[in-house]
Amino acid sequence: AQTVTQSQPEMSVQEAETVTLSCTYDTSESNYYLFWYKQPPSRQMILVIRQEAYKQQNATENRFSVNFQKAAKSFSLKISDSQLGDTAMYFCAWELTFGTGTRLTIIP
Amino acid sequence: NAGVTQTPKFQVLKTGQSMTLQCAQDMNHNSMYWYRQDPGMGLRLIYYSASEGTTDKGEVPNGYNVSRLNKREFSLRLESAAPSQTSVYFCASSEGGQGVLAGELFFGEGSRLTVL
Repeated sequence: AQTVTQSQPEMSVQEAETVTLSCTYDTSESNYYLFWYKQPPSRQMILVIRQEAYKQQNATENRFSVNFQKAAKSFSLKISDSQLGDTAMYFCAWELTFGTGTRLTIIP
Repeated sequence: NAGVTQTPKFQVLKTGQSMTLQCAQDMNHNSMYWYRQDPGMGLRLIYYSASEGTTDKGEVPNGYNVSRLNKREFSLRLESAAPSQTSVYFCASSEGGQGVLAGELFFGEGSRLTVL
């Protein structure tokens, strides 16, 4: 079975700092998609960033970037210049399989 | 565009009662999904429909049935609700294509179900 592991149940950082959320996954496939989703207190799930496994370049979306290490099956999310609106649950996903999430709190 | 719409948003049931969660998407997506979210367990896939006319079991299908009514609508039915089915349920859709998933998932706002 495919698994996605997020080993940090909770994290907190000061506003404007940089934070990295970890994710590892297990698969025998060579081509696939990886995603980070954000779930704010409103409960609405929103895509933050995605990575296609065959692309070696790490994806970037404004303040959000990933460190994709295919051989290590690692897919971490870096949030730069964190803002209060970044407070949310963050879920890593391999295709349709989700991790258990990391609750991120940005402290004013 | 409304995106993915789920109804109802909240529901309280007694053990043994039945109910159907409705989901509709207006993005002309091929694939639709039902997930449940429980504290500490992330999102777990219940059932999915890769394309109109097909449905498949996900990770936790027991106690549920689904119907892909047409390309837009995908319903989830609890025939005899149990307290273990207390959860937040999310419907999602994606463009789909040759594989089950081709692109990101677009989610509804979720439905909180409590079974007493």
